[in-house]
Amino acid sequence: AQSVTQPDIHITVSEGASLELRCNYSYGATPYLFWYVQSPGQGLQLLLKYFSGDTLVQGIKGFEAEFKRSQSSFNLRKPSVHWSDAAEYFCAVGSTGGFKTIFGAGTRLFVKA
Amino acid sequence: DAGVIQSPRHEVTEMGQEVTLRCKPISGHNSLFWYRQTMMRGLELLIYFNNNVPIDDSGMPEDRFSAKMPNASFSTLKIQPSEPRDSAVYFCATLAGGGNEQFFGPGTRLTVL
Repeated sequence: AQSVTQPDIHITVSEGASLELRCNYSYGATPYLFWYVQSPGQGLQLLLKYFSGDTLVQGIKGFEAEFKRSQSSFNLRKPSVHWSDAAEYFCAVGSTGGFKTIFGAGTRLFVKA
Repeated sequence: DAGVIQSPRHEVTEMGQEVTLRCKPISGHNSLFWYRQTMMRGLELLIYFNNNVPIDDSGMPEDRFSAKMPNASFSTLKIQPSEPRDSAVYFCATLAGGGNEQFFGPGTRLTVL
């Protein structure tokens, strides 16, 4: 069965520090992978996606993610975090057509000055 | 494009009352999803439509919940009668034909007293 695990419920980093949010998935075929961000009181916004090709994908707001098939992981990274990055981040796995997208439980990011 | 539009943004009602949430998808998107988000259960898919036809409603919690999509530009999620445990944020998301990523609306925060 498809599943997505985000091991960290919350993470705190200092402004300017690097960030890595972990995501592991279980899927029977080549997955479609996504990272979404949810700011307080807002809907989910797509940060980046991976379907095929280069395993390092770039997204908006300076984020990137790397697909590692051998580890069933799709970790999100940012080299230098800004206070405005404080939000909740969701990893998701889906199939062709986007109908059966499964979302992880989310990781809440806190940024300290 | 204005994105996915949801109304109302906030709804406070009393137990036993009927609640109707509304969603206008992005023009041209032919799939529509209703999700519920709570602290305890995270993001849950309730139902989705493709070309206005309900495809999978297995996530609808009980008969008090119903959803319709009378045309390509409008969908409703109705709860009748509402209960305090229905308090949550309800999101509508849409998907373009041939696409793979879902686009989310800002959500409706429902509070049932």
